[in-house]
Amino acid sequence: EDQVTQSPEALRLQEGESSSLNCSYTVSGLRGLFWYRQDPGKGPEFLFTLYSAGEEKEKERLKATLTKKESFLHITAPKPEDSATYLCAVMTTDSWGKLQFGAGTQVVVTP
Amino acid sequence: DVKVTQSSRYLVKRTGEKVFLECVQDMDHENMFWYRQDPGLGLRLIYFSYDVKMKEKGDIPEGYSVSREKKERFSLILESASTNQTSMYLCASRPPRGIYNEQFFGPGTRLTVL
Repeated sequence: EDQVTQSPEALRLQEGESSSLNCSYTVSGLRGLFWYRQDPGKGPEFLFTLYSAGEEKEKERLKATLTKKESFLHITAPKPEDSATYLCAVMTTDSWGKLQFGAGTQVVVTP
Repeated sequence: DVKVTQSSRYLVKRTGEKVFLECVQDMDHENMFWYRQDPGLGLRLIYFSYDVKMKEKGDIPEGYSVSREKKERFSLILESASTNQTSMYLCASRPPRGIYNEQFFGPGTRLTVL
């Protein structure tokens, strides 16, 4: 059975304190791994797609990396506006457009 | 910009009522999805549709049905609402070109069933 596990469940950071979120997956075959950001009371907002091990993508203070078993979302020198829940999701070779989500990591960045 | 809208942000219904949740997208996307989101469980797929009048069950379809009569609109129906259907409901759409395309989400409907 395909599984997506995110850790930690919650993360509290001081402004400027860099950290990483983990998304580990066990799937039959990976087509893509997606990262989303979700603000309270809103729908998820797309951040990145990673397709193959070794791939990296960056956007402002966020950098996503992918290995054959997990993905990391690195937050460098975070600001309070980076506070959100970060979701990862996988698209498998037999799911054609469907995503399976992890439970998310809630990040709070304090000034 | 892609826009996915949902008919209500908040909804309160009583047990046994029939509930309609509407989702509209304005970018001519063929694929549309309904999820529910619960604390600690993440997003779980209820139903999805590859095209007009086509529907497929997701992981948790029990107690729900869907309708897609027009390309831009995808409705989720709770035939007889129950308290365990209290949740955040999220609609998403996805362009057909390229199988790796991301899904675009609406703002969500927080449904409370009393």
